[in-house]
This record gives sequence, structure tokens and C-alpha cells, in this order.
Amino acid sequence: DVKVTQSSRYLVKRTGEKVFLECVQDMDHENMFWYRQDPGLGLRLIYFSYDVKMKEKGDIPEGYSVSREKKERFSLILESASTNQTSMYLCASQGVNQPQHFGDGTRLSIL
Amino acid sequence: GDSVTQMEGPVTLSEEAFLTINCTYTATGYPSLFWYVQYPGEGLQLLLKATKADDKGSNKGFEATYRKETTSFHLEKGSVQVSDSAVYFCALSGIRGATNKLIFGTGTLLAVQP
Repeated sequence: DVKVTQSSRYLVKRTGEKVFLECVQDMDHENMFWYRQDPGLGLRLIYFSYDVKMKEKGDIPEGYSVSREKKERFSLILESASTNQTSMYLCASQGVNQPQHFGDGTRLSIL
Repeated sequence: GDSVTQMEGPVTLSEEAFLTINCTYTATGYPSLFWYVQYPGEGLQLLLKATKADDKGSNKGFEATYRKETTSFHLEKGSVQVSDSAVYFCALSGIRGATNKLIFGTGTLLAVQP
């Protein structure tokens, strides 16, 4: 089974802090994704990566950046956290012609 | 633009009732269609998928048929159980060459009562 592991289930940070969310997959997948999930809005794509050091903006990239230095790890960075970034963050990975596999999510609160 | 519309919840059913969750889509071209399920406190799991018109995806007693003429992919189950209580997301991919990107509906919460 594919395993996508997000480093934290719950995280509380303060406004203005730099926040790192980590995601690791164990299936050598090329593609990795970061979404945020908000009530009434479903999942929205923030950034994705199709190879090491490659990244593309999703639908709502503002206020976020990403890093993919190794194939198995995809990090989401909130450069200066704001209260409107309080949300559930979901990471996914995907092999060629395969569906996306999701981690359990990180519930982030910005105070 | 491309989008997915699914029925708003919550949907509350008694055990063994019949379930339908409606999903329609707007897209150019021929997307692949998916249903994902999110159990409480967990991430999303793929429930079923269909990649072309008239395909039927099925898993764990759930079914959905890709209807191109009505641009729909409704989720059905003949007899729900309490353990089916979860949020269900309809999604599409494969639009305009972006084969890896998923577009999700807003999710439908299903609550099954004993």
C-alpha cells in the first residue's frame, strides 16, 4: 500500500511565523500535491510538483511556497502565516497513470 | 471553467437505506471521474473511478456510471451501513492536458443512523 505521511496532525502557530508542513511518500511517485480543505469549498490545489526541484502553481498559491529537494519529500511553506491560512492541509502523491493517494492531513491553526 | 457540482449535505439515512449522491461536471474534452471518501479524522481515499463514457466504477458496494450525455457521475449504494458515514467527494481530471490535476466538488457529508 502507498503510504503518504504528513509530519503533524495538528499544528498551532502565530501570525507572522514561517511555517513548514512536511510530506513524505514511500512509493517513488513522480507527482506530489498540496491542497487545502475548507468547509463548503472542498479541496483546492495550492502547488504541485512533477519531479525533483520542479514545481507549478495550483489554483491558490498566494502566500505559499514549496520545496522538493528529494523525490520522496514535498514541503509546503507559509512564508508569513496569517489567520486566513487556518485550514486543513492535505498532501497527495501520484505515480504514472495512477490515482492520487492522500495523507491524513494537518490541521493548522494560526492565532 | 471546469468544475464539479455535487449535492449539498448533510445526507442523513437509516441503516440499509438506498443512497444516491448526485454529481455533475462541466469540462471540455473527456475527463476521468472519481469518487473519494474521507472518514472522520483521515485523509481522502479513492473509492472508485471511471475513465470513459459508459464506464461503471464500483467498490465496497458503491457504484457510479460515467454519463457523458448528462455530464453526471452519481454515486449509489443499495444498502448503507453506519460505517459508511463519511464525507464523499466527486472529482475530475484530465482536462486540457492537465492529466494529473484533480478538480473537486465541495463534498457531501453522509450520516447513517442505526
